[in-house]
Amino acid sequence: GQNIDQPTEMTATEGAIVQINCTYQTSGFNGLFWYQQHAGEAPTFLSYNVLDGLEEKGRFSSFLSRSKGYSYLLLKELQMKDSASYLCAVRDSNYQLIWGAGTKLIIKP
Amino acid sequence: GAVVSQHPSRVICKSGTSVKIECRSLDFQATTMFWYRQFPKQSLMLMATSNEGSKATYEQGVEKDKFLINHASLTLSTLTVTSAHPEDSSFYICSAYPMTSDGYNEQFFGPGTRLTVL
Repeated sequence: GQNIDQPTEMTATEGAIVQINCTYQTSGFNGLFWYQQHAGEAPTFLSYNVLDGLEEKGRFSSFLSRSKGYSYLLLKELQMKDSASYLCAVRDSNYQLIWGAGTKLIIKP
Repeated sequence: GAVVSQHPSRVICKSGTSVKIECRSLDFQATTMFWYRQFPKQSLMLMATSNEGSKATYEQGVEKDKFLINHASLTLSTLTVTSAHPEDSSFYICSAYPMTSDGYNEQFFGPGTRLTVL
């Protein structure tokens, strides 16, 4: 079966750095996405990785290792507004997105 | 980025009534749109893939006669929840891919529709 694993909840301090991990087992691979979702709102796109390595976008970076079935999202200089759920999703061989359950990130002052 | 709208954003209805939710791609054409459902504190669950000009493809366990999908144009898909019951209360989200020359990339989401069935 297809499976995406990520931690259920993480807590970090404002101004610090946090890394959210995601491991996956899917039928084929056509890219990995990270989305941010605030409570009661739809997900918003953060990053897309299809090749191994690190993609940096301002305070957010995403890393992919296809051989290990592993990705992480790195958030730097955390702000209170970063408190949200972070969803990892993998696009499989049918171009369908397989979603992780999301990681709820709690930022404390 | 591309914009996807949904209407209504919130609806409250009585048990047994039908509710229609619209999903529109505002600045791009989408031959394929996706309908998701999300219960509180759970991840997105794909309900169906909506294909312009043809029948929708439903995920296992989703009743196609209850959740009617119509994708009448390249910019509009509708989801109708027929004979809604309280257990259908959920957050319904649509999404779409803009077609690009190098294939599908980012999936854009509508803002979601909060359905409450009394």
